[in-house]
Amino acid sequence: DAGVIQSPRHEVTEMGQEVTLRCKPISGHNSLFWYRQTMMRGLELLIYFNNNVPIDDSGMPEDRFSAKMPNASFSTLKIQPSEPRDSAVYFCASSLGVGGFRQETQYFGPGTRLLVL
Amino acid sequence: AQSVTQLDSHVSVSEGTPVLLRCNYSSSYSPSLFWYVQHPNKGLQLLLKYTSAATLVKGINGFEAEFKKSETSFHLTKPSAHMSDAAEYFCVVTSDTGGFKTIFGAGTRLFVKA
Repeated sequence: DAGVIQSPRHEVTEMGQEVTLRCKPISGHNSLFWYRQTMMRGLELLIYFNNNVPIDDSGMPEDRFSAKMPNASFSTLKIQPSEPRDSAVYFCASSLGVGGFRQETQYFGPGTRLLVL
Repeated sequence: AQSVTQLDSHVSVSEGTPVLLRCNYSSSYSPSLFWYVQHPNKGLQLLLKYTSAATLVKGINGFEAEFKKSETSFHLTKPSAHMSDAAEYFCVVTSDTGGFKTIFGAGTRLFVKA
């Protein structure tokens, strides 16, 4: 299995531009998670989906952030407009999503390193 | 409320000596506990997890951790460090009572000296 695939791996953009991050979960996994990692705040869960449905987006920092999962094999995290404080590494993870979330192993992608100038 | 405290931001050991990375947690509900490792510029990889079965959990690469409810601890150990163990380690607590929550510790960076 190829594991969780994220693209792009690096993104440099200017403040005010739209940024779209992409994720392909492991085939057969029903749950997908988006995380943000910064030096100041560590790893934070932004949103997660189960069977393509957003379950909890309470971690999304503000309305500039949105996430979609149009099908079981693809998800996007969009920032519009982007700001310098959005600079971080964004991770996507997936899990089987058939038991309780609590006990399931999450498999992480390599991350997208975003720099907003 | 849940929280995770990794007691050391950095740990330095010599190759071949034991490793101890400390983690304390707080959870109002029965938690699951995980240790993940992150190598530079890589995603996180699961080392081991505790999900209310055996309290001593064995993971990959010779790591193990013991869940101690009385001490609210889940320390990660390895008898003999290898150079390839140099990485950042995250202790994670999850629960799904009242909605799924996952809390990551701040991380402990492990340095291994030759």
